Amino acid sequence: DQQVKQNSPSLSVQEGRISILNCDYTNSMFDYFLWYKKYPAEGPTFLISISSIKDKNEDGRFTVFLNKSAKHLSLHIVPSQPGDSAVYFCAASAMWYGNKLVFGAGTILRVKS
Amino acid sequence: NAGVMQNPRHLVRRRGQEARLRCSPMKGHSHVYWYRQLPEEGLKFMVYLQKENIIDESGMPKERFSAEFPKEGPSILRIQQVVRGDSAAYFCASSLSRTSPRGETQYFGPGTRLLVL
Repeated sequence: DQQVKQNSPSLSVQEGRISILNCDYTNSMFDYFLWYKKYPAEGPTFLISISSIKDKNEDGRFTVFLNKSAKHLSLHIVPSQPGDSAVYFCAASAMWYGNKLVFGAGTILRVKS
Repeated sequence: NAGVMQNPRHLVRRRGQEARLRCSPMKGHSHVYWYRQLPEEGLKFMVYLQKENIIDESGMPKERFSAEFPKEGPSILRIQQVVRGDSAAYFCASSLSRTSPRGETQYFGPGTRLLVL
């Protein structure tokens, strides 16, 4: 039962352009959403998060948008840089679920210079 | 200011052997989480521990898997009688407090890649 889905296995973007990574979820009880970035042979690194009471959160080049009615969130990276090339995981948690994170399968982002 | 440490980074076992994975949380962190990542999949929660207590083991397979976080020393994830399907990357995360904002306070280690021959 995939409660968090990232339907695009990979994305290729030119340096300087916008990268948009998408994530869908099925469980309406999720109330907190996060994006993690992962390089090969390393653990996930937290990027940005958003509470379900908001629809947008911005941190530098990274912005996360949440559309609760569509159960959809997206991560925008502007401008994209070659160092952004990594696997991006969407994750969700719910107060009733404790601190457990439910992860999507990830999207490989390649930023071409 | 070391981050979350995991060892070994790579572990090769033959079917039927035991695998022990260690996790040292960040300094001052008393909450540890274990996640497993199978090939082509996202990380999946296994178990959540505090010092000397298992808080939530709902993601642990019912047999062969166990975890502990003793008062002194690292957290240990133990897999007995490993099978090929146990081959995966096992990640440990730690946090300072359960009540602090969720998610971003979980800091991940580099993982242990287990290969069962």
